[in-house]
Amino acid sequence: DAKTTQPNSMESNEEEPVHLPCNHSTISGTDYIHWYRQLPSQGPEYVIHGLTSNVNNRMASLAIAEDRKSSTLILHRATLRDAAVYYCILSLDTGRRALTFGSGTRLQVQP
Amino acid sequence: GAVVSQHPSRVICKSGTSVKIECRSLDFQATTMFWYRQFPKQSLMLMATSNEGSKATYEQGVEKDKFLINHASLTLSTLTVTSAHPEDSSFYICSASTALAPGRETQYFGPGTRLLVL
Repeated sequence: DAKTTQPNSMESNEEEPVHLPCNHSTISGTDYIHWYRQLPSQGPEYVIHGLTSNVNNRMASLAIAEDRKSSTLILHRATLRDAAVYYCILSLDTGRRALTFGSGTRLQVQP
Repeated sequence: GAVVSQHPSRVICKSGTSVKIECRSLDFQATTMFWYRQFPKQSLMLMATSNEGSKATYEQGVEKDKFLINHASLTLSTLTVTSAHPEDSSFYICSASTALAPGRETQYFGPGTRLLVL
């Protein structure tokens, strides 16, 4: 799977939007972009995924660059419960292939 | 969303004993389950891929005779840490996938099992 690059950490204030960037310049045409997050002492949690078009769900939005070499996870209003490590992962097929976790971005949310 | 459970959530054992960890998909059938390990301050590392009814595929460096994986049904996979040693102390996490069309599937993770070997 292609590699992703994320900032080690980011800070946000509560109820403000957060934009978490991810670079994946070696992405292939068939790689999907997945975002998972891991709260302290818990297993990872699926957030969102997409291929080419921007995606929205109840948790977040995913903005994908036109050349697909980068993407941004958008939390519209950060809460204290959003403090977690966010992982951007490329995968052709998560149904049959394991996810390769990088170091992710540790998001801190200040009250 | 789909729910994956793990049992136990936390276990303490003596060195040399064996520990079994169960991973269940509660409301869907999972043809494939994955086992990961996470040491403090580190990211998740894949240990093995488990397909229902067949032998698990282990990652390089993971001893298959030490970490026994059984995937006997579409909703249950077990990981047994045999002859556990203190260096096996870690956070063990399983995941299960809804094997839909590529790009539609997601992996659902269990809450993890924290193993402490004394």
